[in-house]
Amino acid sequence: DGGITQSPKYLFRKEGQNVTLSCEQNLNHDAMYWYRQDPGQGLRLIYYSQIVNDFQKGDIAEGYSVSREKKESFPLTVTSAQKNPTAFYLCASTDGVRELFFGEGSRLTVL
Amino acid sequence: KQEVTQIPAALSVPEGENLVLNCSFTDSAIYNLQWFRQDPGKGLTSLLLIQSSQREQTSGRLNASLDKSSGRSTLYIAASQPGDSATYLCAVVKRGTYKYIFGTGTRLKVLA
Repeated sequence: DGGITQSPKYLFRKEGQNVTLSCEQNLNHDAMYWYRQDPGQGLRLIYYSQIVNDFQKGDIAEGYSVSREKKESFPLTVTSAQKNPTAFYLCASTDGVRELFFGEGSRLTVL
Repeated sequence: KQEVTQIPAALSVPEGENLVLNCSFTDSAIYNLQWFRQDPGKGLTSLLLIQSSQREQTSGRLNASLDKSSGRSTLYIAASQPGDSATYLCAVVKRGTYKYIFGTGTRLKVLA
């Protein structure tokens, strides 16, 4: 079945650690996205990538980094510079008509 | 700057009622408008996609309309069921971009 796989589903981080969230899609989509969701708030765009080896900052990119070395993969690293990383992280991708599809999300908690 | 608003923020209705969820956006130069459902702790599930040239889309008990000139979309749910309880979000993508702007959602509870 085609879809978007995010891992891990739950992740705990100690202060000062970098962590990487995985996002893999087998939908053959060109564009991929990372969003952050906090309780009671809408989705905020962290980074997006329209093609391989290219990505753009979203509205809240500070403290995050991404890479897009393969079409199917778009990992997100939450660095120690991100002061409030506890949140629900969602990966998405779009097809040619720009219908957005999401993974199941990764919940990051800072201990 | 595009802003997307969803009213009400929360809604409780008895089972069987027909209901309407609202989505407003400030910039009418959109490429698509998409409605999603989100269950607690889960990702978003796409419900309906309306392209800018379309006025409505239907899927089962769901019907979404789009009026670009007034910056509004509505999601109509017929004969609501407890299983429809979830948060419903709308999002628009501006023409010429790949950036989606989301509303904060309407949390729906259908009472049995």
